[in-house]
Amino acid sequence: NAGVTQTPKFQVLKTGQSMTLQCAQDMNHNSMYWYRQDPGMGLRLIYYSASEGTTDKGEVPNGYNVSRLNKREFSLRLESAAPSQTSVYFCATGPRDRGIYEQFFGPGTRLTVL
Amino acid sequence: GEDVEQSLFLSVREGDSSVINCTYTDSSSTYLYWYKQEPGAGLQLLTYIFSNMDMKQDQRLTVLLNKKDKHLSLRIADTQTGDSAIYFCAESPASGGSYIPTFGRGTSLIVHP
Repeated sequence: NAGVTQTPKFQVLKTGQSMTLQCAQDMNHNSMYWYRQDPGMGLRLIYYSASEGTTDKGEVPNGYNVSRLNKREFSLRLESAAPSQTSVYFCATGPRDRGIYEQFFGPGTRLTVL
Repeated sequence: GEDVEQSLFLSVREGDSSVINCTYTDSSSTYLYWYKQEPGAGLQLLTYIFSNMDMKQDQRLTVLLNKKDKHLSLRIADTQTGDSAIYFCAESPASGGSYIPTFGRGTSLIVHP
């Protein structure tokens, strides 16, 4: 089992270019998340999907769109990249239950916008 | 809403104990987590504790919870160079509200020989 996979691992964009970050999970979890990690800022939630067919905004959604393609896949799109979107992006999954709520993270995509 | 605070850096010598601290604000029953992020990798759950517990021990890891002060600590005994990583404290409510964990900013642990 691969767990949570993300593609690409690295990407360099020019300001104004668009791209889609891909995330796939084989853990059969209902919920999926996109976070960005910046030095000294910790993890900030961009968007999440509680279940297939639903998406909701997190703390920092501006400049991003998401698609929950099916239960396995959750993509993050930057329509017009800006230097402020230079960051490391993590996809995570988790079962949508109360109680102990462990999240499983992918290895990350390191994005630089010039 | 919840707020989770942690110091940003900790440096220890190999073989010593490390203590990483965290404070949180949620007053309801909650789960509290410690995640580890190794260089170039995603986060991985190390351990967790429910807010009605005082302590949890798992091999070299000891989690202490002071409910009155809303203070959580992670103690790593006999710290090794392989423990060098960023450690994130997180909390999620046990009932009501959003189940999505709130993360602290992470503490970078540097272990030197």
